Amino acid sequence: NAGVTQTPKFQVLKTGQSMTLQCAQDMNHNSMYWYRQDPGMGLRLIYYSASEGTTDKGEVPNGYNVSRLNKREFSLRLESAAPSQTSVYFCASSKGLAGGTDTQYFGPGTRLTVL
Amino acid sequence: KQEVTQIPAALSVPEGENLVLNCSFTDSAIYNLQWFRQDPGKGLTSLLLIQSSQREQTSGRLNASLDKSSGRSTLYIAASQPGDSATYLCAVRIQGAQKLVFGQGTRLTINP
Repeated sequence: NAGVTQTPKFQVLKTGQSMTLQCAQDMNHNSMYWYRQDPGMGLRLIYYSASEGTTDKGEVPNGYNVSRLNKREFSLRLESAAPSQTSVYFCASSKGLAGGTDTQYFGPGTRLTVL
Repeated sequence: KQEVTQIPAALSVPEGENLVLNCSFTDSAIYNLQWFRQDPGKGLTSLLLIQSSQREQTSGRLNASLDKSSGRSTLYIAASQPGDSATYLCAVRIQGAQKLVFGQGTRLTINP
C-alpha cells in the first residue's frame, strides 16, 4: 500500500515553460486535493476534486489547471510557469465523507523552482 | 474567513519534558480539527483528528483537546523525545466545505 505518490520529486523550470505534476492514490479514496506550501504562508488549497468527474477551485487557483483522470489520479498543470509558482506542492486524498471523520493523507511533495 | 494561528512559531525543550502546542481558530463552524507532523523535506503525517462533537483524542504519548466555543485546540506531548523534533501543524475543516485551513505550524526541537 503506497498511499499517495507524487512525481516528480524535484523540478526546475524556466519562466513560461509548462509542466504537469502527477498524483496517484491506492486507498480507493473519493476526494483528492492539491496544496502549495510557502514559507510564512502555510499550506493553501489550489484545487480539489470531491469525487471522480468533479473539480473545484480552492484559495489560490490562478495559473493552474487540474484533471481528475480517474478515481486514482489527479494531476496539476502549470501552463506558463512564473517565479511566483516556486513552491512545494502536496497532493492529498481522503474518503470524502460528508461529516467530521474525514482524514486527509498527504504525498511526499514536489519541490518546484521557476527561474 | 477562517484563520488558524499557531503560537509559538518555534519551541526548543530538553528531552523528557511534557509540552503543549497551541492552535486557535476564528470561526467555530468546523467539522473537525486535525494535527499533523511534518519532518524537514517530507510530507505531512496525520497524528490526530478531533471531530467537532468531541473534546479530546489520544494516541500514545499524544493528547489533543478541542474547545470549539473558544476556538482553541492544544496538542500535549508527554515525555518528549528527540524523535519528536518536527514541525507540527493544525488544520480545521470548514463546515460545508472539503478544504482544510492550516496554521503556519510550530517548529519543535527536543534537545538530548
